[in-house]
Amino acid sequence: DAKTTQPPSMDCAEGRAANLPCNHSTISGNEYVYWYRQIHSQGPQYIIHGLKNNETNEMASLIITEDRKSSTLILPHATLRDTAVYYCIVRVQDRGGRRALTFGSGTRLQVQP
Amino acid sequence: GAGVSQSPSNKVTEKGKDVELRCDPISGHTALYWYRQSLGQGLEFLIYFQGNSAPDKSGLPSDRFSAERTGGSVSTLTIQRTQQEDSAVYLCASSLERAGELFFGEGSRLTVL
Repeated sequence: DAKTTQPPSMDCAEGRAANLPCNHSTISGNEYVYWYRQIHSQGPQYIIHGLKNNETNEMASLIITEDRKSSTLILPHATLRDTAVYYCIVRVQDRGGRRALTFGSGTRLQVQP
Repeated sequence: GAGVSQSPSNKVTEKGKDVELRCDPISGHTALYWYRQSLGQGLEFLIYFQGNSAPDKSGLPSDRFSAERTGGSVSTLTIQRTQQEDSAVYLCASSLERAGELFFGEGSRLTVL
């Protein structure tokens, strides 16, 4: 799986959009970009994933650059409950695949009141 | 329940004792993962079960660690002759066969005295 690079920490004001970047310059054509987050003392939580097109769900939006070498997770209106470590992961989504998700260090997002 | 269930939630043991940690995945999920997370650290992959295939044990740190998945459902992670460095939160996750969306349990916190 392609390696990802994320800033170790970011701050965001409550109510503002949080934009979390991720670089994955060695991504392959069949690798998806996944985002998870881990709130303190809880198990990681799936947020969103995408291949080429931008994606949006009730939690966030995922913007993937045209060359797919980087992406941005957007939390449109950050709340204090969004304070967490955010992990960007790239992985092949294959039937019967034997590849486990590998979590890096992630970005620690602190939402400030 | 509908989510991944892990037990015990907390386990304190003495150095040298064996421990067993249990994971009940979401019904119908064919993939099951074990990770561990030491205090303040990221997630470390341990072992991955996918259907009837041989498990990917590449993340197990030593031969004191083993895991079974009986009947394609419940999994038990066993740590023999526990050491203080085994102290961590052990997280289990499950997913559908081809999906990268993992559902995590709340973890089992192991403390080795």
